[in-house]
Amino acid sequence: AQSVTQPDIHITVSEGASLELRCNYSYGATPYLFWYVQSPGQGLQLLLKYFSGDTLVQGIKGFEAEFKRSQSSFNLRKPSVHWSDAAEYFCAVVLIQGAQKLVFGQGTRLTINP
Amino acid sequence: NAGVTQTPKFQVLKTGQSMTLQCAQDMNHEYMSWYRQDPGMGLRLIHYSVGAGITDQGEVPNGYNVSRSTTEDFPLRLLSAAPSQTSVYFCASSYYGGAKNIQYFGAGTRLSVL
Repeated sequence: AQSVTQPDIHITVSEGASLELRCNYSYGATPYLFWYVQSPGQGLQLLLKYFSGDTLVQGIKGFEAEFKRSQSSFNLRKPSVHWSDAAEYFCAVVLIQGAQKLVFGQGTRLTINP
Repeated sequence: NAGVTQTPKFQVLKTGQSMTLQCAQDMNHEYMSWYRQDPGMGLRLIHYSVGAGITDQGEVPNGYNVSRSTTEDFPLRLLSAAPSQTSVYFCASSYYGGAKNIQYFGAGTRLSVL
């Protein structure tokens, strides 16, 4: 079945530590890929996107993500997290040929320890 | 810029009551959509519209009605609320015509059905 999977429901890291959030997709063709962040009580904000080209993409707030076609993955990384990064993170895809519908993963809640 | 505006922010309903969640955007976007967010399930598409007078069902449309009489507004109607509709609802909008169009989200409406 076509799906987007975020294996980690909840991750806790210490402030200043590195971060990697995992995302895998299962589609016949490579979709367009997105990461969104939802701060507590807020809407969703786009962190970064991948359409084609360089497989390492840079986003806002110091985040980056790497697309790996062989692993059907689009993992989000940050070298050093800040307390303000505590939020819920969603991976999402849009099929290139389709009705422009976003399909989301289950989300990963990030907690930062001081 | 207002972006995507959702009202109300919070609502409590009794089972069987009806209500309309409002969504308005001021970016002249053709594409608008409604999602519901439930713990552990990410965001799921309820209905979407590619322009005034055109709507279609998403992944979880049952119990919800939509219409699109103007480009700016895309209300979501619950005709007879059920406890299973307790959720956080997000509206999003974007230009239409390609999967690269970025969707912008409102701040959400938190709905409780007792």
